[in-house]
Amino acid sequence: DGGITQSPKYLFRKEGQNVTLSCEQNLNHDAMYWYRQDPGQGLRLIYYSQIVNDFQKGDIAEGYSVSREKKESFPLTVTSAQKNPTAFYLCASRSGGTSDTQYFGPGTRLTVL
Amino acid sequence: RKEVEQDPGPFNVPEGATVAFNCTYSNSASQSFFWYRQDCRKEPKLLMSVYSSGNEDGRFTAQLNRASQYISLLIRDSKLSDSATYLCVVTLSGGYNKLIFGAGTRLAVHP
Repeated sequence: DGGITQSPKYLFRKEGQNVTLSCEQNLNHDAMYWYRQDPGQGLRLIYYSQIVNDFQKGDIAEGYSVSREKKESFPLTVTSAQKNPTAFYLCASRSGGTSDTQYFGPGTRLTVL
Repeated sequence: RKEVEQDPGPFNVPEGATVAFNCTYSNSASQSFFWYRQDCRKEPKLLMSVYSSGNEDGRFTAQLNRASQYISLLIRDSKLSDSATYLCVVTLSGGYNKLIFGAGTRLAVHP
């Protein structure tokens, strides 16, 4: 089945540890995005990538890092510099060109203890 | 002022009711408009795009008023399965297809 997968679904980490969230898509989409969702707030853009080996900061990139070595994969690392990392993290992809529609993976719920 | 504003609700309605959600956006350069549905602790899923001419998909009707920077979603004959949070989303012209999300309106349909 075509789609976007994120793993793990739930992740618990101790404060001060880096953690990497996985995002894979087999839709052959060019663009990929990472968002963060906090209770009562809209999704906020962390990083995005429009093509392989290129990515740009979104609105809240501080404390996060990404890579885009393959078209299918866009992992997000939450570093110890992120002051409030507990949140629901959503990865999305878009086919590119004139299409505006983004499709989301199931999300990873990160809790920092 | 938030870029996309929605009434957070909750809207509590009986089955069969008609319910309308509104959304306003602040950036007149907004290009595309969507309604996404998000179930509790799940990812958002595209419900429908919104066009200036208005569009309908079964029980759902979306309207866009560019002059007033206002988007609406009408749900007729509400079902229990419609219970979810509805997210108003806009994109800005040019650039990288940045989606700007409202915080969502929660709908609870009861028997």
